[in-house]
Amino acid sequence: QKEVEQNSGPLSVPEGAIASLNCTYSDRGSQSFFWYRQYSGKSPELIMFIYSNGDKEDGRFTAQLNKASQYVSLLIRDSQPSDSATYLCAVTPGGSEKLVFGKGTKLTVNP
Amino acid sequence: NAGVMQNPRHLVRRRGQEARLRCSPVKGHSHVYWYRQLPEEGLKFMVYLQKENIIDESGMPKERFSAEFPKEGPSILRIQQVVRGDSAAYFCASSPIGSPHQPQHFGDGTRLSIL
Repeated sequence: QKEVEQNSGPLSVPEGAIASLNCTYSDRGSQSFFWYRQYSGKSPELIMFIYSNGDKEDGRFTAQLNKASQYVSLLIRDSQPSDSATYLCAVTPGGSEKLVFGKGTKLTVNP
Repeated sequence: NAGVMQNPRHLVRRRGQEARLRCSPVKGHSHVYWYRQLPEEGLKFMVYLQKENIIDESGMPKERFSAEFPKEGPSILRIQQVVRGDSAAYFCASSPIGSPHQPQHFGDGTRLSIL
């Protein structure tokens, strides 16, 4: 069973702080790693993706991948109340194009 | 540019009826993926289709569920003889190529409710 694990939260941070979201995966052959944001009752929205070890930055968002530890994270700098949502980690297992999702971490940014 | 279009947005069926969910991918995208999100659960992969072909149906229930993506027209997810447990949000995603490195873009989903 190929699994993706996330802390369900809720994770609560004050406005302006750094939010750190973590994800581990069981399939060592996983190829790409995606972070989606999902507001309540809405569709998943792609935030970032990464497939090489290291950091990838896009604006206030940084994705970090450590394949040896089977760990991927998302940092959100200068968190805003509008960042309050559920963040979904997804991976493509080895030999597949499908996405395997974690259950998501609910983030609340307090004004 | 229109994104992934799904309809209907909300669908109500009685037990035993059929449900048809439609998905039009982003223009130029020929790869479609269907996912299901049960209440308080994560998104689960159901099926991956390319025009006129089913590539991966490993997440499809063995009975009552089928999917197609014809040469012309939208992709259709069909659920026959619906039961209460089919109540969920069904999301379609598309990509221009079939690659594990290619991001998938999601539609707004169809919320299916079974009475």
